[in-house]
Amino acid sequence: AQSVAQPEDQVNVAEGNPLTVKCTYSVSGNPYLFWYVQYPNRGLQFLLKYITGDNLVKGSYGFEAEFNKSQTSFHLKKPSALVSDSALYFCAVGSSNTGKLIFGQGTTLQVKP
Amino acid sequence: DAGVIQSPRHEVTEMGQEVTLRCKPISGHNSLFWYRQTMMRGLELLIYFNNNVPIDDSGMPEDRFSAKMPNASFSTLKIQPSEPRDSAVYFCASSNVYNEQFFGPGTRLTVL
Repeated sequence: AQSVAQPEDQVNVAEGNPLTVKCTYSVSGNPYLFWYVQYPNRGLQFLLKYITGDNLVKGSYGFEAEFNKSQTSFHLKKPSALVSDSALYFCAVGSSNTGKLIFGQGTTLQVKP
Repeated sequence: DAGVIQSPRHEVTEMGQEVTLRCKPISGHNSLFWYRQTMMRGLELLIYFNNNVPIDDSGMPEDRFSAKMPNASFSTLKIQPSEPRDSAVYFCASSNVYNEQFFGPGTRLTVL
């Protein structure tokens, strides 16, 4: 069965510092991995995805994520955080057999000035 | 493209009433998903369709919930009768299989 875990309910960083939001997954077969962001009172917005190829994936708003097969992780990173990055972040995993995604419970990112 | 369109954006109803939520997916997408989001349970997949056919409805909480997709450009999620515990934000999303899902703005449902 597929599953995804985001071990941190909240991550706090200072503006200008690097940020990491953690995600680990479990899936049979080749994983399709996604990151989404949700701002208050809005729907989820796609940030980036890993399907195949380069393990380092670059996405919107300066975010990137690294696929690590041995550690079954797909952590979201940004070199320099902005206050406007404060939001709820979801990691999701899908399989090659279906378009269904399994979402993590979400991590609230708080960036303080 | 206007993105995924959901209506209404807000719905307040009384317990026992029928509620119908509507979704128009992005043109050309062949998969449609209905999710429910609450503080307590997070984001839950209720049901999804592929080429207008329901594929997995295991997330539908009870028989009070039903969903249809009569054509490629329209889907409904119906709750009958509604209960206060159904209060949540309901999202519709669409995609092409194996690609990212695009979410609508959501319908905030309050059942009194």
